[in-house]
Amino acid sequence: GAGVSQTPSNKVTEKGKYVELRCDPISGHTALYWYRQSLGQGPEFLIYFQGTGAADDSGLPNDRFFAVRPEGSVSTLKIQRTERGDSAVYLCASSSASGANVLTFGAGSRLTVL
Amino acid sequence: QQQVKQSPQSLIVQKGGISIINCAYENTAFDYFPWYQQFPGKGPALLIAIRPDVSEKKEGRFTISFNKSAKQFSLHIMDSQPGDSATYFCAARPGGGSNYKLTFGKGTLLTVNP
Repeated sequence: GAGVSQTPSNKVTEKGKYVELRCDPISGHTALYWYRQSLGQGPEFLIYFQGTGAADDSGLPNDRFFAVRPEGSVSTLKIQRTERGDSAVYLCASSSASGANVLTFGAGSRLTVL
Repeated sequence: QQQVKQSPQSLIVQKGGISIINCAYENTAFDYFPWYQQFPGKGPALLIAIRPDVSEKKEGRFTISFNKSAKQFSLHIMDSQPGDSATYFCAARPGGGSNYKLTFGKGTLLTVNP
């Protein structure tokens, strides 16, 4: 596609539920990134994929968070046992290669945990 | 520890004026310094970027000034327009093996009054 597509754009869930957030990167982009943006803050790095593998997941806050990219294109961020503190906008970005200067971000998935 | 400190938190400028946003960093391994512009409901978009081997970079009305010894850099928006009203984030990225990981400032909400 022309840009990075993220679904859903908005997700409201209850504490303790499981959620999945999907990212469809720009076609041909091998590098994919997830960032989390809390209200009034800058984006914070969560995880980086080069191809199918997670090259760096050091930003995932705890083991309730997991992300996959099984075919090297679409990625899914999975959050188990959601907590109110997980409420944020989850941004996905892609680039043509690792270390590329231009990251293209999607519009994000706004997660609200009640 | 906040590795990239951004100020001011918010800024109001009259149309035609100059907007100035400042950032300071701590990690001397950073070697790439982009600025992102974010409109409400959208993801951040790359505006302009600089590497530490130059002290200034200009693209149209946007200029980055970089002071390596002080570990500071700033964004200047000349002839500010209402359409420039957005949140601006400075960011920094290290070289070497972690050259995919952006660290963002907290953002500056710029309002340009007509």
